[in-house]
Amino acid sequence: QQQVKQSPQSLIVQKGGISIINCAYENTAFDYFPWYQQFPGKGPALLIAIRPDVSEKKEGRFTISFNKSAKQFSLHIMDSQPGDSATYFCAARSTDSWGKLQFGAGTQVVVTP
Amino acid sequence: NAGVMQNPRHLVRRRGQEARLRCSPMKGHSHVYWYRQLPEEGLKFMVYLQKENIIDESGMPKERFSAEFPKEGPSILRIQQVVRGDSAAYFCASSADLYYAGELFFGEGSRLTVL
Repeated sequence: QQQVKQSPQSLIVQKGGISIINCAYENTAFDYFPWYQQFPGKGPALLIAIRPDVSEKKEGRFTISFNKSAKQFSLHIMDSQPGDSATYFCAARSTDSWGKLQFGAGTQVVVTP
Repeated sequence: NAGVMQNPRHLVRRRGQEARLRCSPMKGHSHVYWYRQLPEEGLKFMVYLQKENIIDESGMPKERFSAEFPKEGPSILRIQQVVRGDSAAYFCASSADLYYAGELFFGEGSRLTVL
């Protein structure tokens, strides 16, 4: 079963708007939560990541919010640009299986001019 | 190019043939991971290897699939007697060490089509 649930499946946002992608998990052994960005025909690239002892992390226009008690985390893309149009994956890593990332199903983001 | 190198980028096989996918990790990385991505789906973990060792193969199908990472040369993902359901993008990733296993660097993938 999907250990990391991601929503929405797709998202259309106007240039300059905010894109918000949400992920939820059940496994309390997860200790590291990265986000990956993937363009068509390319491999995923690490965008930003957070550990559960931090509630928020910001890098440029990208912010992760983390709610440990709710077992949820989200990616906010501020001032969205057409170049941000891509598929975004959340993921999680377990302390008992460091070599394995559990990925969400992905969110296709389209930023319109 | 210091990135993760995968080849071939595209591979077409007929049912029953064998597919071999190769991956050279980033320079200095000794941990290799294989993931499979089906159309419109996320990535699914297949196997984690270090040089000459399979560390975690919990995501590998029990039959027809095997992986190796020899002392010299690239990591190989081998699929024997391919079936249509094997059609997917296969991504290799590497990391510097296990602690940074979440900070994976992915290759551009090998896209397998089974006719």
